[in-house]
Amino acid sequence: DTGVSQNPRHKITKRGQNVTFRCDPISEHNRLYWYRQTLGQGPEFLTYFQNEAQLEKSRLLSDRFSAERPKGSFSTLEIQRTEQGDSAMYLCASSLPDNEQYFGPGTRLTVT
Amino acid sequence: AQTVTQSQPEMSVQEAETVTLSCTYDTSESDYYLFWYKQPPSRQMILVIRQEAYKQQNATENRFSVNFQKAAKSFSLKISDSQLGDAAMYFCAWSGGSNYKLTFGKGTLLTVNP
Repeated sequence: DTGVSQNPRHKITKRGQNVTFRCDPISEHNRLYWYRQTLGQGPEFLTYFQNEAQLEKSRLLSDRFSAERPKGSFSTLEIQRTEQGDSAMYLCASSLPDNEQYFGPGTRLTVT
Repeated sequence: AQTVTQSQPEMSVQEAETVTLSCTYDTSESDYYLFWYKQPPSRQMILVIRQEAYKQQNATENRFSVNFQKAAKSFSLKISDSQLGDAAMYFCAWSGGSNYKLTFGKGTLLTVNP
């Protein structure tokens, strides 16, 4: 069990560019979650996958955001046409059914 | 919608002393879980303790224990024999419903003084 990993750890991009983040969950975990955390706040839910199916999306997830989890393994989160308000830490977590979530180290996005 | 409130933005404790962090929540669900997560500076979120709402007995993990008052919707965390390594942001979180997504409070920053 190597834990949840996320790449890259840091991303600096210019406004208007597209960015993609990757999350590799714990191998036997079928549930995968994305959260966004801004400075001084608790994480906020973005989206949830059970296996490869995306079952819920937050209203925070605008049309510029898209997430996938092909084959129910790793997941990607893409932000198109980034805005300065997208600057945040993006956290990924995975879990077994009805069990606690294990978090990755996060990807810190800075939009300049 | 569920809400989680942490009314103490910052707390401090002397090393080896005991500190209690407060958390209240609001939900209409009958079956749910409550968690305390720890986030050290620039490090990842770590689960400290978990409580199932259907269990009356308060959860305990070594120096960490909770006081779960279901009727009052209160879920406080007690840290005994505080250590320097306990210094971190602590988040209270609620989980339930069909997908068990976490709803977090705003956090309490704990400082441990030597």
